[in-house]
Amino acid sequence: DAGVIQSPRHEVTEMGQEVTLRCKPISGHDYLFWYRQTMMRGLELLIYFNNNVPIDDSGMPEDRFSAKMPNASFSTLKIQPSEPRDSAVYFCASSPEGGFTEAFFGQGTRLTVV
Amino acid sequence: RKEVEQDPGPFNVPEGATVAFNCTYSNSASQSFFWYRQDCRKEPKLLMSVYSSGNEDGRFTAQLNRASQYISLLIRDSKLSDSATYLCVVNFNTGGFKTIFGAGTRLFVKA
Repeated sequence: DAGVIQSPRHEVTEMGQEVTLRCKPISGHDYLFWYRQTMMRGLELLIYFNNNVPIDDSGMPEDRFSAKMPNASFSTLKIQPSEPRDSAVYFCASSPEGGFTEAFFGQGTRLTVV
Repeated sequence: RKEVEQDPGPFNVPEGATVAFNCTYSNSASQSFFWYRQDCRKEPKLLMSVYSSGNEDGRFTAQLNRASQYISLLIRDSKLSDSATYLCVVNFNTGGFKTIFGAGTRLFVKA
């Protein structure tokens, strides 16, 4: 298996633009997680899905952030409109049994909003 | 108080040294615990799970103290390649579950 695949690896955008991050989880994993990592706040869980259904989005910082999982092999995290404080590394991870087993992370998307 | 706290370090140790990290958590209902390793500009990867009875994997030993609400990671005979950030992870049941990552402890092993 190729592991969790995220795209793009790097994204530079101007403030106010829409940004869409993409993730393909490991096949057969029922859980998908979106994380954000910054120097100031560390690694934060934004939202997670179980069987394509959003379970907990309490970590989503604002209404500008939205996430979808239309099928078991694809998820998106969208920021609209983007702001400079959204600059961070965004990780997608998947696991077979939620929080009680290993989560496998993608390589991340490094987002810079200027 | 943060839900999961780690000493950010950095810990600077010579090769061959033994180093220990602690991680405290505030939610007594926490149910599963892990240590992840993150190399610079890379994604986190599981280092080891932490069981109530403690567990060992080669030079690495992880322990859980539920009474005092902390987990620990011991690295013996440190190698240059152990230089990384070590993240503790705590999960607790909220109907679903909630996963909290510690901020990480940076380790530098020097020749």
